[in-house]
This record gives sequence, structure tokens and C-alpha cells, in this order.
Amino acid sequence: GAVVSQHPSRVICKSGTSVKIECRSLDFQATTMFWYRQFPKQSLMLMATSNEGSKATYEQGVEKDKFLINHASLTLSTLTVTSAHPEDSSFYICSARYGDRGDNEQFFGPGTRLTVL
Amino acid sequence: GQNIDQPTEMTATEGAIVQINCTYQTSGFNGLFWYQQHAGEAPTFLSYNVLDGLEEKGRFSSFLSRSKGYSYLLLKELQMKDSASYLCAVSDSNYQLIWGAGTKLIIKP
Repeated sequence: GAVVSQHPSRVICKSGTSVKIECRSLDFQATTMFWYRQFPKQSLMLMATSNEGSKATYEQGVEKDKFLINHASLTLSTLTVTSAHPEDSSFYICSARYGDRGDNEQFFGPGTRLTVL
Repeated sequence: GQNIDQPTEMTATEGAIVQINCTYQTSGFNGLFWYQQHAGEAPTFLSYNVLDGLEEKGRFSSFLSRSKGYSYLLLKELQMKDSASYLCAVSDSNYQLIWGAGTKLIIKP
């Protein structure tokens, strides 16, 4: 159980276009979903935390108008990278957690590798 | 500030034992996680410690000392597939995960 899927797994786009990444919890209801970015040979960097039905909480330095997050249901969150540029090329990973307590494990999606040309 | 320290890289031999250390300074503590991450893949959960002591799970064990702000992950009977990065993460007072930079473990035959 506790499977999280992400789609697409890999995307290449031209500079200036927008890309949407979906994160789904397949067999549980995720009250909280997290979006991370990881550059090569670096650790995970939390971008934002989203709770179903409310606005996402963005980490300092993350532009909320550029990285649009929608957590429309307990099983789906989307991250849209608007007007993507080459520096946005990265590995984007979502995770999902059920319940309100932080000691609940985060279940990670397989990640989406974004390449912006 | 909040800080998680772990070695950048370690090398070990197949069949041997390796210990990966993690020290932390965080605002509050609600548990410590270890995750394994293979290159190009998402992290997978290995262990969770919230009380002092050793938690054993097969070939992997994790230890925690809250008074020292210290944890380690012990991997026994190393296999080539254990070559990966190992991430230490602490849940702080707001239940937010603070991540270490990860330890790249290289297993040699």
C-alpha cells in the first residue's frame, strides 16, 4: 500500500512554455502533499506544502506565481511550472502523507525529470 | 538555524558493515527518518526513530540519541545494490522534514 504516482516521468519542453506535473496517491487519502526539487548531486529541497482544499505554503525563495500548485482532492496535487526556463531544469519529486501528525511517513512519487531547452 | 550533517561519501566492501552518521540541530524534534535514494529515482523509506535506542530491520538498523542530536544507519552484509545515497531527515517542531545533503555510499566488490 501507500503508492504515489507521478506523471509524466520525463518531459522536455521549450523555454517559455508551461509544464504540468501530476501527483496522485493511489491507495490512500493524502491530507498533505509536498513538492520537492532536486538538482544533480544535491539533496531534496522542499518547494511547497499543500493541504487539500487550501492554498499551498511556499518555502522562502520559491516563486508561487511561477510554480502553481493545486491540491484539488485528497488524491491529486498538480505542480505547473509556468514560463519555464533552462534553470528550471531539475528533478521534481512529490510526496504524500496521510493524517496530520508529522511522524507519519512521507511516501514519495517516482519523480519527474524536467529538461527545458 | 537548522542543520543536518552527514558525510558526503563513503566507500565499503561487499559483504562488510558500514555505519553512516547523522548529527542534527533543529528547532524541536518529532522524529528522525532515513531514506535510500538510487540515482535518478525518488527516495524510499528505510526507518523512523523517535525514541532513543536501536531499531533493527533486517540488514538495516538505525540508532538515535536525542540528547546528543545523533543518529546512525548501520548496513550489514552489504550488497552491490546497496550503492545509493542515504538521506537523513528530521521532523522539526512544525512537523516539517529538514533534510541532510545525503551520503553517497559506494560498494566495491
